Amino acid sequence: QVQLVESGGGLVKPGGSLRLSCAASGFTFSDYYMSWIRQAPGKGLEWVSYISSSGSTTYYADSVKGRFTISRDNAKNSLFLQMNSLRAEDTAVYYCARCGHYYYNYMDVWGKGTTVTVSS
Amino acid sequence: DIVMTQTPLSSPVTLGQPASISCRSSQSLVHSDGNTYLSWLQQRPGQPPRLLIYKISSRFSGVPDRFSGSGAGTDFTLKISRVEAEDVGVYYCMQGTQIPWTFGQGTKVEIK
Repeated sequence: QVQLVESGGGLVKPGGSLRLSCAASGFTFSDYYMSWIRQAPGKGLEWVSYISSSGSTTYYADSVKGRFTISRDNAKNSLFLQMNSLRAEDTAVYYCARCGHYYYNYMDVWGKGTTVTVSS
Repeated sequence: DIVMTQTPLSSPVTLGQPASISCRSSQSLVHSDGNTYLSWLQQRPGQPPRLLIYKISSRFSGVPDRFSGSGAGTDFTLKISRVEAEDVGVYYCMQGTQIPWTFGQGTKVEIK
């Protein structure tokens, strides 16, 4: 079945770095755009970034632009989010999500999320 | 950025009764390709979000037909025809028409 499993979350100090991974299975990963979305504790959803199926196109929310980098390895069915210069406000559950097939402007499958805590 | 505003923020409903959530965008969600990228997601307590509806009214695979979406331009609605206990959770609208993609604040559906 279609599955997305995030990993790499944890506790990091302000200014530190973390790399999140998302392992995809059950579908042809290289055919789909992919996205990261986050949810701060007790808050709503915030779109973070997306990447095209080939990896050639990426977009970011202003709140993470210049600090976060999305990438993918289609040979390994994996999505990544490199997070640098982390701030307390980056504390959240980070979800990996698959974008729609014919229209990529929505997320149709979500992982369970990985928790990132930025604190000294 | 496009601001998505949901009403109500909380909706106590009786089992078996209908429920309706409104979502309004600060500008038209009609994309240059002619499509309107408005989707609805459900987040049950302790669970990740789940897609219910995409492109205003297309129900995603496996979603019960008691869920329906409608609207156009800047005004959209999610309806649950008869609320069941498993429908408890927070519902979000999301626009994918313009970067950055943005979500509504969420509407909490609970049983009276």
